[in-house]
Amino acid sequence: DVKVTQSSRYLVKRTGEKVFLECVQDMDHENMFWYRQDPGLGLRLIYFSYDVKMKEKGDIPEGYSVSREKKERFSLILESASTNQTSMYLCASSLAPGRGGYEQYFGPGTRLTVT
Amino acid sequence: GIQVEQSPPDLILQEGANSTLRCNFSDSVNNLQWFHQNPWGQLINLFYIPSGTKQNGRLSATTVATERYSLLYISSSQTTDSGVYFCAVEFNTGGFKTIFGAGTRLFVKA
Repeated sequence: DVKVTQSSRYLVKRTGEKVFLECVQDMDHENMFWYRQDPGLGLRLIYFSYDVKMKEKGDIPEGYSVSREKKERFSLILESASTNQTSMYLCASSLAPGRGGYEQYFGPGTRLTVT
Repeated sequence: GIQVEQSPPDLILQEGANSTLRCNFSDSVNNLQWFHQNPWGQLINLFYIPSGTKQNGRLSATTVATERYSLLYISSSQTTDSGVYFCAVEFNTGGFKTIFGAGTRLFVKA
């Protein structure tokens, strides 16, 4: 069974704080993704990574950065949290296409509130 | 532009009823998945179905890639089927980018 875990289910931070969201997968997947989900806007891709130390911007990368130092771990960083970053954050992973990939598996989500 | 549209946006069913959810997409695809998001926010994989038909218990899905749509069938619905159903599509021209539809919110009444 594919397992994707996220470091926190709920998180409350203050405006201006640096925030780290961690995601770990245990299935040796090459690809990892960070999305945010907001009412009325659906899921939007923030960043993805197709290999260690590789990253690509998604649709809404502004205000975020990512880190992938190890294959199993993908971190989302809010350098200076703002109230408009209050959202549900979802991490996903998948195999590379050459290994029969495409199917994405999601973690349980982190509901972040910035006050 | 690239679009993924789901219908209906909302659906209320009596327990035991059947339903069909639809996903239309605007271009040829590498990948199409159906997910169920439960009330706690977890996205659960239902089907990986870029083409053809698959069945899993009371659920089945069909994708007709040439006509750019996919259907999710729910038979004998149960209250635990409630939640939001998403169609997610990776287009041929989009690299690794997956686009989610807005979802169908389903409520099954006991």
